[in-house]
Amino acid sequence: DGGITQSPKYLFRKEGQNVTLSCEQNLNHDAMYWYRQDPGQGLRLIYYSQIVNDFQKGDIAEGYSVSREKKESFPLTVTSAQKNPTAFYLCASSINLGLAYNEQFFGPGTRLTVL
Amino acid sequence: AQKVTQAQTEISVVEKEDVTLDCVYETRDTTYYLFWYKQPPSGELVFLIRRNSFDEQNEISGRYSWNFQKSTSSFNFTITASQVVDSAVYFCALSLQISSGSARQLTFGSGTQLTVLP
Repeated sequence: DGGITQSPKYLFRKEGQNVTLSCEQNLNHDAMYWYRQDPGQGLRLIYYSQIVNDFQKGDIAEGYSVSREKKESFPLTVTSAQKNPTAFYLCASSINLGLAYNEQFFGPGTRLTVL
Repeated sequence: AQKVTQAQTEISVVEKEDVTLDCVYETRDTTYYLFWYKQPPSGELVFLIRRNSFDEQNEISGRYSWNFQKSTSSFNFTITASQVVDSAVYFCALSLQISSGSARQLTFGSGTQLTVLP
């Protein structure tokens, strides 16, 4: 079945630690995205990638880093510089078709808690 | 700058009632796309519908219908004869082209928590 997988589902981090959230897609999509969701708020874009080895900062990139070494993978690292990392993180992907509109497909999310 | 406003934070209805979720957007672009997503308790966002800025036809899909009015910058979502399984957070989103031929950024509203009581 085609889709997006995220792991782990729940993640606990001690203050000062870096952690990496995994995102894999087998939809053959070019574009991938990372969003952060806080209670009672919409999704805010952290980073996005249009193609392998290329990525761009979103609205709230500070304290986060990403890589895109393979088309199907877009891991997100939450660094110790992120002051308030406790949140729900969602990964998404979409077909990259120029002027065509396309929806984003979302993974099941990772809930990160800082202890 | 673009913005999406969902003024209704929480709505509760009794099963079989109709319910309308409001969405108001702001953008200076003339070409844009509007989306509705559903987020059940499991957390994964599920795509429901998209509408482009040149198509103001209303759409009906089963118990769901959408009313797009460009004059008021609104894209409202109505569920007819609501069911308990409709309980979820619903997000409205606006899509603009970031740069020519590239990935699209979605701007989300803050969501509306819909609870359908049996």
